[in-house]
Amino acid sequence: QVQLQESGPGLVKPSETLSLTCTVSGGSISGYYWSWIRQSPGKGLEWIGYIYYSGSTNYNPSLESRVAISVDTSKNQFSLKLSSVTAADTAVYYCARVGCGGGNCMYFDYWGQGTLVTVSS
Amino acid sequence: EIVLTQSPGTLSLSAGERATLSCRASQSVSSSYLAWYQQKPGQAPRLLIYGVSSRATGIPDRFSGSGSGTDFTLTISRLEPEDFAVYYCQQYGSSLTFGGGTKVEIK
Repeated sequence: QVQLQESGPGLVKPSETLSLTCTVSGGSISGYYWSWIRQSPGKGLEWIGYIYYSGSTNYNPSLESRVAISVDTSKNQFSLKLSSVTAADTAVYYCARVGCGGGNCMYFDYWGQGTLVTVSS
Repeated sequence: EIVLTQSPGTLSLSAGERATLSCRASQSVSSSYLAWYQQKPGQAPRLLIYGVSSRATGIPDRFSGSGSGTDFTLTISRLEPEDFAVYYCQQYGSSLTFGGGTKVEIK
């Protein structure tokens, strides 16, 4: 059973960079797309971006200028960096595996438990 | 960006009743790229349906999805106590966006 676990600081100061890591266990990171999604009371669920195990990425256009997602296959991990954060970036951040069934892809079939990141001084 | 509007915002029903949840897209969702998720308090969303009508692994057959184009429906044929939760639709035909959710609460 694939399991995902987010880790990183729960508090980030305004204008700084939010950094989170997702560790995948119970399966290989290879062969799949992996994604970050966040959920805040004001904006609901918001897709941030995804990365293929080979390193190619695709980001939400609304966040693209501030987002970077990377992958480390040797550690079975992928990471999120979101720069120049403001209070509007306060949310629960989830990592997830992108599912693909019969050529129908880009839904999310495995999720981490989520981690709350608060942006505050 | 495709905007997904879910209705109603809240659905008050009793166990054993049928639940019908709507997800309407601002433009046509291509190639049946629509999924549904269930979320309970303090938990991550759980995939129920992908490709409009395909149930994810382990999802009971009381959950079914239908629709095409801009109008999609999640039906729960007979509500069980564990089905009271918030449900989200997601499209992945053009970028990836989620609906605002429908809360199914106990009447």
